[in-house]
Amino acid sequence: DQQVKQNSPSLSVQEGRISILNCDYTNSMFDYFLWYKKYPAEGPTFLISISSIKDKNEDGRFTVFLNKSAKHLSLHIVPSQPGDSAVYFCAAPQDPNFGNEKLTFGTGTRLTIIP
Amino acid sequence: NAGVMQNPRHLVRRRGQEARLRCSPMKGHSHVYWYRQLPEEGLKFMVYLQKENIIDESGMPKERFSAEFPKEGPSILRIQQVVRGDSAAYFCASSASTSQPQHFGDGTRLSIL
Repeated sequence: DQQVKQNSPSLSVQEGRISILNCDYTNSMFDYFLWYKKYPAEGPTFLISISSIKDKNEDGRFTVFLNKSAKHLSLHIVPSQPGDSAVYFCAAPQDPNFGNEKLTFGTGTRLTIIP
Repeated sequence: NAGVMQNPRHLVRRRGQEARLRCSPMKGHSHVYWYRQLPEEGLKFMVYLQKENIIDESGMPKERFSAEFPKEGPSILRIQQVVRGDSAAYFCASSASTSQPQHFGDGTRLSIL
């Protein structure tokens, strides 16, 4: 039962343009979301998070938007750079009542930035 | 990723052998989590530990798998009598508290011959 879904396995974007990665979730109790970036043969690196009390969180080139009514979040990267080529995972705590310890991950989107 | 140290990076075992995966959390982190990633899939939660305590092992297979985080030393994920289906990347993460993001190690790639 995939509670966090990333329906696009891959995405290619021209360098300098905006990359938009999407994530949908099924559990309306989820109230905190995280994005991780993963290079081959490395572990996921935390990028940015958002709490359900907000609909937007920004950190440099990275912005995450949350639409609670649609159960949808997106990660925007602008401008996209070659070093952004990686697999991006969205994640949420499985048991929101018990803190962030048990994360459930989407299957990831492989982003390729074309020079 | 340099903060959370996992070893070995690659481990090859024959069916029926034991696999031991080690994880040293980031300095100052007392919460440790283990995840497994099968090819083309996302990470799946296995177990959450604090020093000397297993807090949540709801993602652990009922048999052959065990985890510990002793008072001294790294956290250990132990798989007894390995089978081909145990082949995966095993990631450890740590955090300072459950309200802080988890930081991941680079994983151990386990291959079963």
